Parts: sequence; structure tokens; C-alpha cells
Amino acid sequence: TQLLEQSPQFLSIQEGENLTVYCNSSSVFSSLQWYRQEPGEGPVLLVTVVTGGEVKKLKRLTFQFGDARKDSSLHITAAQPGDTGLYLCARYSGGGADGLTFGKGTHLIIQP
Amino acid sequence: NAGVTQTPKFQVLKTGQSMTLQCAQDMNHNSMYWYRQDPGMGLRLIYYSASEGTTDKGEVPNGYNVSRLNKREFSLRLESAAPSQTSVYFCASSEQGNSGNTIYFGEGSWLTVV
Repeated sequence: TQLLEQSPQFLSIQEGENLTVYCNSSSVFSSLQWYRQEPGEGPVLLVTVVTGGEVKKLKRLTFQFGDARKDSSLHITAAQPGDTGLYLCARYSGGGADGLTFGKGTHLIIQP
Repeated sequence: NAGVTQTPKFQVLKTGQSMTLQCAQDMNHNSMYWYRQDPGMGLRLIYYSASEGTTDKGEVPNGYNVSRLNKREFSLRLESAAPSQTSVYFCASSEQGNSGNTIYFGEGSWLTVV
């Protein structure tokens, strides 16, 4: 099983602070996706990264795919309470199988 | 747009009872999935269907059966529920399941087995 390790598992910070969460694996990915899940809802796709070294921005969120395509990071600038949620990284299972394999996620709480 | 709709939202079962979780998508997607989400375990794939008429096991298929009734509908059945099957279940769909396509999730079904 090609695991995705996410860190930290939990993070609680004050509004306005910056933060970075990480997603790492020992295997190379063809692509990696980041999802956000709010309480009582299903995950929603934020971004897909495909190319090693790729950087994508979504307002205050910056996603980076490692040069070797084994790791990714999500940086949030000036966090707001609306950023609170579970952030999940995921990769396609590969080997002819469908579906995504998820990391266990980072639980993020932004306190006002 | 409804997207992915799953029912019921909440269910309490007694050990040994059976039930079926229903899922439908209105996006004309080929691939459909059932995941379960447990604290500390993340989301794990139970079964998937790459196209109408096909189903395959995911990471944790034991105790479950699925049916791809047509292109829109993909149901998950628990024949004899066990407390270990207490979880939140998510149905999802995508245009194709083995590439960088977006996977769209339903809102989840909370199942408690007592």
C-alpha cells in the first residue's frame, strides 16, 4: 500500500496567522489532489497538481508539488475562521484500479 | 444541481440487520465509489464501479455488497450489520476514475450499528 502521510494531524491557530500542512509519500505520484471537508459534508476538491515543482494558488491558499513528485504542501496566508476544516490529500490508486487513496488529513481550526 | 445524492442520511441498525444505502448521480459520470470514513483512519474505499455493469473491490470490501443498477445509481448493501461497520459512508462519482478527474462526493450517511 502506497501510503500518504499528512502532518500535522491537528492544528489550531489564531485568525491572521500563516500555516503550512504537508503530504508525503515514499512513492512517486502521477498527480495529487487536495480536498477540504467541512463538518457534516463530503470532501470538496480544491486543486490538482500534476507537474513536479508546480505551484498553484487559490486566493490565500498556495499548493506546491515537490520536484520529485513525492510530496506536496498547502500554505494558507492570513488564515480566517472560514478556513476551518479537514484538509485531505489524495492520489489515484493506480495499478489499474479506480478511485483515490486518501491521507488521514489535517484537522485545522482557526480561532477568531 | 443535485450532484451526488445518497440516502438515508442517518440510520441506526441492530447487529445482524441488513440495509441498503442508495446513491444516485446526475452528472453522467462513468465511475462511482463507496467510501467509509472513521476517526483516525481517514477515507477508505469499499467498492467502486468503473462503468455500468462492472464493480470491483476496494481496500475494505468485507461485509459489503454493491450493485451498479444503471449509470446513475450505485447501491451499497450490508447483509448482516456488525458494530465495526459503524461509520460515515460517502458515495462519490467521477467522469473517469484513473486519472486526474475531480471526484464529487455526496453529503454522507451516518450509520450506527448497536
